[in-house]
Amino acid sequence: DVKVTQSSRYLVKRTGEKVFLECVQDMDHENMFWYRQDPGLGLRLIYFSYDVKMKEKGDIPEGYSVSREKKERFSLILESASTNQTSMYLCASSLVEDAYEQYFGPGTRLTVT
Amino acid sequence: QKEVEQNSGPLSVPEGAIASLNCTYSDRGSQSFFWYRQYSGKSPELIMFIYSNGDKEDGRFTAQLNKASQYVSLLIRDSQPSDSATYLCAVNKGKLIFGQGTTLQVKP
Repeated sequence: DVKVTQSSRYLVKRTGEKVFLECVQDMDHENMFWYRQDPGLGLRLIYFSYDVKMKEKGDIPEGYSVSREKKERFSLILESASTNQTSMYLCASSLVEDAYEQYFGPGTRLTVT
Repeated sequence: QKEVEQNSGPLSVPEGAIASLNCTYSDRGSQSFFWYRQYSGKSPELIMFIYSNGDKEDGRFTAQLNKASQYVSLLIRDSQPSDSATYLCAVNKGKLIFGQGTTLQVKP
């Protein structure tokens, strides 16, 4: 079974803090993705990566950065957290050849106060 | 206009009925479509996908494409309470573009 894990299920941070969200997958998937999910807006892609040290902007990259130093790990960084970044963050991974069969982690519910 | 649109619902059907979930898309050139299911408090999981060349059936689930009207449907036959979830439609545009999801409630 594919397993995608995320470092925290719930996180509370203050405005202006630097926030790191970690994602690890154990199936040697090339592709990794970060989404946020908000009521009424669905899943929106923040960043994705097709390979180590490679990153591509998604639809809403502003205020975020990412890091992929190892194939199995993809980190999302909020440089200076703001209240409008309060959301559910979901990490996903997939094989290159089955890029649209994405396996999701359990999610991190981030609250910025 | 949103690229992928779904009625957020909830769609309520009795147990044993057919549940019909729809999703409209704006790009007429879209070639592949995906349905993810998300139980409350859980992550999405892929349940069906179809390409522009035809419909697909998998057990109680059927995915249908209407290219002329630019919508895809997910039909769930013999609906069960365990089918109660949010169903997310996604369209391939070099990356997945998701709709906001339709919540389905199957009442015993």
